[in-house]
Amino acid sequence: GAGVSQSPSNKVTEKGKDVELRCDPISGHTALYWYRQSLGQGLEFLIYFQGNSAPDKSGLPSDRFSAERTGGSVSTLTIQRTQQEDSAVYLCASSLDRANTEAFFGQGTRLTVV
Amino acid sequence: GENVEQHPSTLSVQEGDSAVIKCTYSDSASNYFPWYKQELGKRPQLIIDIRSNVGEKKDQRIAVTLNKTAKHFSLHITETQPEDSAVYFCAASKGNSGYSTLTFGKGTMLLVSP
Repeated sequence: GAGVSQSPSNKVTEKGKDVELRCDPISGHTALYWYRQSLGQGLEFLIYFQGNSAPDKSGLPSDRFSAERTGGSVSTLTIQRTQQEDSAVYLCASSLDRANTEAFFGQGTRLTVV
Repeated sequence: GENVEQHPSTLSVQEGDSAVIKCTYSDSASNYFPWYKQELGKRPQLIIDIRSNVGEKKDQRIAVTLNKTAKHFSLHITETQPEDSAVYFCAASKGNSGYSTLTFGKGTMLLVSP
């Protein structure tokens, strides 16, 4: 009965390094979203997975960002060659089916690039 | 893709007053409109949602109205309390009408003074 779980909670990395952020959605949820929230800002859409369909990657800000969802469950967001402007809270959410049911958010991963 | 505009960006009210937050959307196919509340340092949580087949929905002190013709929807909070202070996000999606993610507005910071 756990909610959406994200790891790590905090990540400090040096500029130029690659990072991987993990999201464990609620069991049985077929829809999974990644958002980015900069300090005091809104929820910037990154990528959306729905079942076995091809993901909607239209929100990824550059080709340094990629995400995958293995077996329709766990998702990993990868940022290559991190830049200081990548510093933000990365939020994952999942919902039971298509994007018309409640989305449950994880607690987020706070990424700091130094 | 969908574009959601939210106003105002900040809203200060006295305890007991009403608060109204307004959003507009661009895609006439959108049919699901949730509102999320994010307290400081916490994850966004759903507080109320409305689907396009109804014009209004209430839940105690919270209500949401939807005008499909004008493509706008609003959140109304009556008898505000200090614990209502948070950032509120509106969102839109077209759920069963298509493969669609959840697009958020930029948020409204509501401050309720005792």
